[in-house]
Amino acid sequence: GENVEQHPSTLSVQEGDSAVIKCTYSDSASNYFPWYKQELGKGPQLIIDIRSNVGEKKDQRIAVTLNKTAKHFSLHITETQPEDSAVYFCASNSGNTPLVFGKGTRLSVIA
Amino acid sequence: DAGVTQSPTHLIKTRGQQVTLRCSPKSGHDTVSWYQQALGQGPQFIFQYYEEEERQRGNFPDRFSGHQFPNYSSELNVNALLLGDSALYLCASSPRLAAYNEQFFGPGTRLTVL
Repeated sequence: GENVEQHPSTLSVQEGDSAVIKCTYSDSASNYFPWYKQELGKGPQLIIDIRSNVGEKKDQRIAVTLNKTAKHFSLHITETQPEDSAVYFCASNSGNTPLVFGKGTRLSVIA
Repeated sequence: DAGVTQSPTHLIKTRGQQVTLRCSPKSGHDTVSWYQQALGQGPQFIFQYYEEEERQRGNFPDRFSGHQFPNYSSELNVNALLLGDSALYLCASSPRLAAYNEQFFGPGTRLTVL
């Protein structure tokens, strides 16, 4: 089955700097790659996603890139703010299969 | 719109007991999925319910069972609780079967097994 590895497990950045979180996946049939943000006491919230027919997608300060050949995708957050502090999860699936999540990255933005 | 709601928020049980967790989906959604999130881990898929039947199941033992009601709400039941069942249990709803790219998560129920 699919296996998703996520790095780093923790990340601290200064406010205003950029943050990058990387994930690799194992199933070459995977074609959907979402990123979720989970704040304390809340469920995961979808922040951006990308499909396998696209190499990059951007939404304001957040962007996701996908390299299908290398089977990895990354989340980029620019101009980080304290409210970006949370745990971020990558996930992947193919067709109608359940999402497989990474183990998460705890991002701390230091003011 | 209330979004996905779950009850209770927290629950403490002892080994061997049974527990029932509840979920109400987002308005307009008819499909409910359940996930287990252990501390420091990502959510793991337990199963998905649609039209009151279990449609897909992850790698979880039969101790984990569920139910979906005609109003689309759902229950997760866990029998013979083990210490390792301690986790955050998340419910997610979506507008149709297997629409994993359109699901909304609830805040979860924190289960502690002593």
